[in-house]
Amino acid sequence: GAVVSQHPSRVICKSGTSVKIECRSLDFQATTMFWYRQFPKQSLMLMATSNEGSKATYEQGVEKDKFLINHASLTLSTLTVTSAHPEDSSFYICSAISGGRSYEQYFGPGTRLTVT
Amino acid sequence: QQQVKQSPQSLIVQKGGISIINCAYENTAFDYFPWYQQFPGKGPALLIAIRPDVSEKKEGRFTISFNKSAKQFSLHIMDSQPGDSATYFCAASMASGTYKYIFGTGTRLKVLA
Repeated sequence: GAVVSQHPSRVICKSGTSVKIECRSLDFQATTMFWYRQFPKQSLMLMATSNEGSKATYEQGVEKDKFLINHASLTLSTLTVTSAHPEDSSFYICSAISGGRSYEQYFGPGTRLTVT
Repeated sequence: QQQVKQSPQSLIVQKGGISIINCAYENTAFDYFPWYQQFPGKGPALLIAIRPDVSEKKEGRFTISFNKSAKQFSLHIMDSQPGDSATYFCAASMASGTYKYIFGTGTRLKVLA
């Protein structure tokens, strides 16, 4: 149980275009989802926390207009990278919490974004 | 105060040996400490986690030792195997912080056959 999927697993896009990444909890309802960014050989950097039906809370330094997060249902959150540039190329990972008082985060497999 | 310091950055262990990774934190409000394993190109997977009311937790070959007074915790991998070669991250979380994780910088473990 507690499986989180991400789609797509890899995406290549041209500079200036937008890319949408989906994160789904497959067998549980995720009241809270998190979006992380990971550069090669580095740790996970939290970008934002999203709660179903409300606006995402962004970490300091993360541009909310560039990284649009929508958590429209208890099983789906999306991250849209708008007007992507090569420096946005990274590994994006989502995670989800089951229930409102749970510590354990279940992570998705990640999405490799390459902007050319 | 929100940082979690992790060491060493990399570790090489012989097969069958013990791998030890350490983490330290400052914020005493943290009340949940998980360890994650990550293989290249994959998302992190939970190995084991501990709350500050216990000093040790063991699951199979993985043990967390927790020292509340020193604000340190460590992961011990017994009988290390080549399949354990991965990057390991410690993290800290607290209920008052919306359960978000503060991750350590990671340790790249290589177990030699």
